[in-house]
Amino acid sequence: TQLLEQSPQFLSIQEGENLTVYCNSSSVFSSLQWYRQEPGEGPVLLVTVVTGGEVKKLKRLTFQFGDARKDSSLHITAAQPGDTGLYLCAGVSGRGDDKIIFGKGTRLHILP
Amino acid sequence: NAGVTQTPKFRILKIGQSMTLQCTQDMNHNYMYWYRQDPGMGLKLIYYSVGAGITDKGEVPNGYNVSRSTTEDFPLRLELAAPSQTSVYFCASSDDRINEKLFFGSGTQLSVL
Repeated sequence: TQLLEQSPQFLSIQEGENLTVYCNSSSVFSSLQWYRQEPGEGPVLLVTVVTGGEVKKLKRLTFQFGDARKDSSLHITAAQPGDTGLYLCAGVSGRGDDKIIFGKGTRLHILP
Repeated sequence: NAGVTQTPKFRILKIGQSMTLQCTQDMNHNYMYWYRQDPGMGLKLIYYSVGAGITDKGEVPNGYNVSRSTTEDFPLRLELAAPSQTSVYFCASSDDRINEKLFFGSGTQLSVL
């Protein structure tokens, strides 16, 4: 069974600090997606990474796909209260069946 | 564009009642999905569809049914509601490839008492 483990589960930090959240698996994925979900809303896609070692930037957010395509990280620089939310990673199977697996999420709270 | 629209937003059911959760998308996407999200458990796939007239089971299909008569609509039916079906339900759609770049609706919060 493929699993995606996200860490930490919860993170509460002060505005202006930097943080990194992780998404790890023992399985290889053909691509990995990051979503942000706000209370009462559905997840919204932030980025998709498809190549091992790929780095993508979205303003203050930096996403990296591991070289072996088994893990990913999200780094936020100078966090702001607007970054508060549930961050979900989702991996699409590299076994050819195109199945998607969601991690349980990291709940991030940025204190003003 | 409205994107993916789900109704109702909230619903309370009694055990044994039935209901249909509505989902419609205006992006002409081929792929549509139903997920449930339980606290601390992530998103679990209930059913999905690769096009009108084609549906398939996901990870947790028991107690649910779907249909896809048009590209736009993908309703989810609960026939005999049980407390274990208390959850937040999300409909999603995608176009380029299955399971890539999902667009989610805003969810239906369902309680079965």
